[in-house]
Amino acid sequence: DAGVIQSPRHEVTEMGQEVTLRCKPISGHNSLFWYRQTMMRGLELLIYFNNNVPIDDSGMPEDRFSAKMPNASFSTLKIQPSEPRDSAVYFCASSPGQPTNYGYTFGSGTRLTVV
Amino acid sequence: QQQVKQSPQSLIVQKGGISIINCAYENTAFDYFPWYQQFPGKGPALLIAIRPDVSEKKEGRFTISFNKSAKQFSLHIMDSQPGDSATYFCAASKASGTYKYIFGTGTRLKVLA
Repeated sequence: DAGVIQSPRHEVTEMGQEVTLRCKPISGHNSLFWYRQTMMRGLELLIYFNNNVPIDDSGMPEDRFSAKMPNASFSTLKIQPSEPRDSAVYFCASSPGQPTNYGYTFGSGTRLTVV
Repeated sequence: QQQVKQSPQSLIVQKGGISIINCAYENTAFDYFPWYQQFPGKGPALLIAIRPDVSEKKEGRFTISFNKSAKQFSLHIMDSQPGDSATYFCAASKASGTYKYIFGTGTRLKVLA
């Protein structure tokens, strides 16, 4: 099992550019989560998908952020236009069911730097 | 009410010593308390978790102590090793009906050889 796979590992972009982060969850996991980690705010849940359907996007900071899960094996998080305050590590995590029964499996993250 | 307060922010322990990290919560509806371990460049990984029907859970050198009346729980790492050097996050959640964790702010542990 390759675990949760995220790409790219690092992204440096200029303010105003579009950024797309990608995630491949563990096969058979029907729950997918996007988290953002910063020193100031710690780990924040951005959006949660269950069976490819967005269930809760209340953590998405603003309309510049969007997420999709077109199938069970792929999800994207898009920021358009990007701003310096979006600089953070973005984690994708998946779970085979209720995280309180199984826990999350996190990917290694994408470190985003917006200059 | 949704916060989980974690302390200390950083901790330095000698090899073989005991590392103790504390967390406090306010929402009495929380009934699932996991700890995650994160190494540099990696995502957090589930280390150990407890539900409030027990006051302590031990897995190897890692123990969670839980005090329901004080709304506090702590992670004890016995015989700390340099390989334990990582950032540790506590979290709280409802065991059913939700998928959300509320994470603490993290504790950076360094174990000196």
